[in-house]
Amino acid sequence: GAGVSQSPSNKVTEKGKDVELRCDPISGHTALYWYRQRLGQGLEFLIYFQGNSAPDKSGLPSDRFSAERTGESVSTLTIQRTQQEDSAVYLCASSLETSGSYEQYFGPGTRLTVT
Amino acid sequence: DAKTTQPNSMESNEEEPVHLPCNHSTISGTDYIHWYRQLPSQGPEYVIHGLTSNVNNRMASLAIAEDRKSSTLILHRATLRDAAVYYCMTRDMEYGNKLVFGAGTILRVKS
Repeated sequence: GAGVSQSPSNKVTEKGKDVELRCDPISGHTALYWYRQRLGQGLEFLIYFQGNSAPDKSGLPSDRFSAERTGESVSTLTIQRTQQEDSAVYLCASSLETSGSYEQYFGPGTRLTVT
Repeated sequence: DAKTTQPNSMESNEEEPVHLPCNHSTISGTDYIHWYRQLPSQGPEYVIHGLTSNVNNRMASLAIAEDRKSSTLILHRATLRDAAVYYCMTRDMEYGNKLVFGAGTILRVKS
């Protein structure tokens, strides 16, 4: 079946511009997660959704980062006034529920380069 | 956050079994143990997870210590395609069970 998809796969933007990254989770998955992975490093949790609600936004690096989810489906991660340190691969994952007994399925990621 | 400890790297010969250890001494009684792997230039891929009993699936086996403070991921016959970074983690029961990724173990497979 269809997995998690993300778009665009690559995005190059100038410093100061806004960018939107999109995630389409597996159909029926109520939980959705965003992570960031800088070059050569591990994954950093950003935010998760249970349905359309985001109970935990503590991982967002700054107020330039925001995310929303609609229809318990697609999610958008928005970065305003991008900075060079925002360059990274942004990964989305979905899970049937948020319970620890369920695995997460990851998308291929969006590689963001801020010049 | 729940913490895990893994060796930085391991090496295996092709077609031989590989045992990847993980320590999670601060695990709570209801936390699951999850393993993911990440191949170069790809997103993480789920491998296996368990709570108390040993688990087997088509990819691997998971052996969990009786006190649950450690576990071992077992690849029964390593192939070149198994070369990846392997992450062990416990699902943090707070904050929607976000995955807390450590540094992982780089597995190299020699032909």
